[in-house]
Amino acid sequence: EIVLTQSPTTTAASPGEKVTITCLASSSVSNMYWYQQKSGASPKLLIYSTSSLASGVPDRFSGSGSGTSYSLTINTMEAEDAATYYCQQWSSNPLTFGSGTKLEIK
Amino acid sequence: EVQLVESGGGLVQPGRSLKLSCAASGFTFSNYYMAWVRQAPKKGLEWVATISTSGSRTYYPDSVKGRFTISRDNAKSSLYLQMNSLKSEDTATYYCARHGDYGYEMDAWGQGASVTVSS
Repeated sequence: EIVLTQSPTTTAASPGEKVTITCLASSSVSNMYWYQQKSGASPKLLIYSTSSLASGVPDRFSGSGSGTSYSLTINTMEAEDAATYYCQQWSSNPLTFGSGTKLEIK
Repeated sequence: EVQLVESGGGLVQPGRSLKLSCAASGFTFSNYYMAWVRQAPKKGLEWVATISTSGSRTYYPDSVKGRFTISRDNAKSSLYLQMNSLKSEDTATYYCARHGDYGYEMDAWGQGASVTVSS
């Protein structure tokens, strides 16, 4: 099973600040997917195929990486971005998620 | 508008069974792989099952293999999760999700159905 380790576990950013969340895979994966989950809501797809923005996602979000190291970046933090973010892979079974990064607004 | 609406959740005793349903609308259901993902209280996301477009192929993690069965009825645009031999660790919100065009991601999610396994 491929284990996805996210860092940081929790972080806070001021409006306008740049935020980077990292996802390290225990083995190489072909692509990474990212989700945003706001408190009390269902997850929402943000990034697919490592770096493609899902429909309706603001372009302040971006994804990058390869092999075992991937990242999600928010270029300029906004209050509405406060949420928990998860990475996900399905390069090999089982499909796995990272343990999540909670992002708060300062 | 894509909509996924789960139903069938509730309180169930350990060792008993429960069946979740997911009604899909707003897209051609038969064209998409579908999945169930769960989230235990205050915990992260855990994949539970995926089913192919025709239902001929199913995929499970070891944690539920042999106890849970995913199925679909394309004529009714419905997805199901039969859960047997339930354990307290199965307590979670269960989300119905649509796999996207690439098949690996989940691009639409339901609002979730709460399942509590307790005596």
